[in-house]
Amino acid sequence: DGGITQSPKYLFRKEGQNVTLSCEQNLNHDAMYWYRQDPGQGLRLIYYSQIVNDFQKGDIAEGYSVSREKKESFPLTVTSAQKNPTAFYLCATAGLNTEAFFGQGTRLTVV
Amino acid sequence: SQKIEQNSEALNIQEGKTATLTCNYTNYSPAYLQWYRQDPGRGPVFLLLIRENEKEKRKERLKVTFDTTLKQSLFHITASQPADSATYLCALDRVRAGNNRKLIWGLGTSLAVNP
Repeated sequence: DGGITQSPKYLFRKEGQNVTLSCEQNLNHDAMYWYRQDPGQGLRLIYYSQIVNDFQKGDIAEGYSVSREKKESFPLTVTSAQKNPTAFYLCATAGLNTEAFFGQGTRLTVV
Repeated sequence: SQKIEQNSEALNIQEGKTATLTCNYTNYSPAYLQWYRQDPGRGPVFLLLIRENEKEKRKERLKVTFDTTLKQSLFHITASQPADSATYLCALDRVRAGNNRKLIWGLGTSLAVNP
């Protein structure tokens, strides 16, 4: 069953905590992306990676960190430096000249 | 910088009619333009892709047009059904040097098809 898997679906974070969102794919795609979606603001790019061991900041990278140690995995850490982390987070992959495939998303809430 | 605009107001239509959604862009000539569907609480799902040298693309009840002179894409759903109710997103896609792709997204248009 090919695809992209995000976990967990719901995540609660206390003030000052770091949390890590998982994104795994078995589509053999080189490119992976993390987006944040807030109501009325559309998809905003946090980080993206075109190849293993390399990644670039997107438009709103402050307060986030990523790693790309394996082709299949692109975890996102929301650090305590991110002042407004409550949002819907989406991971996506894309092959060369193909459309983007999205995971089901992780809804992060600060409690 | 590149900018994409989609109908900001929700579109309400009657079942069986054709829904037409608009995507306008500025400041760039994309290699591809893509349309996605997003249901509440879920990730977007790809629908259609149209290349810069294509005028029109069809898939079942869906049709996309691409006018690079007007910098506009139209997305049509014919014989609409209540199940078509969702938010529809357009995205510009440009393959840069070294295959460095970076999709640029519109905010989406909410479509409601009334029975």
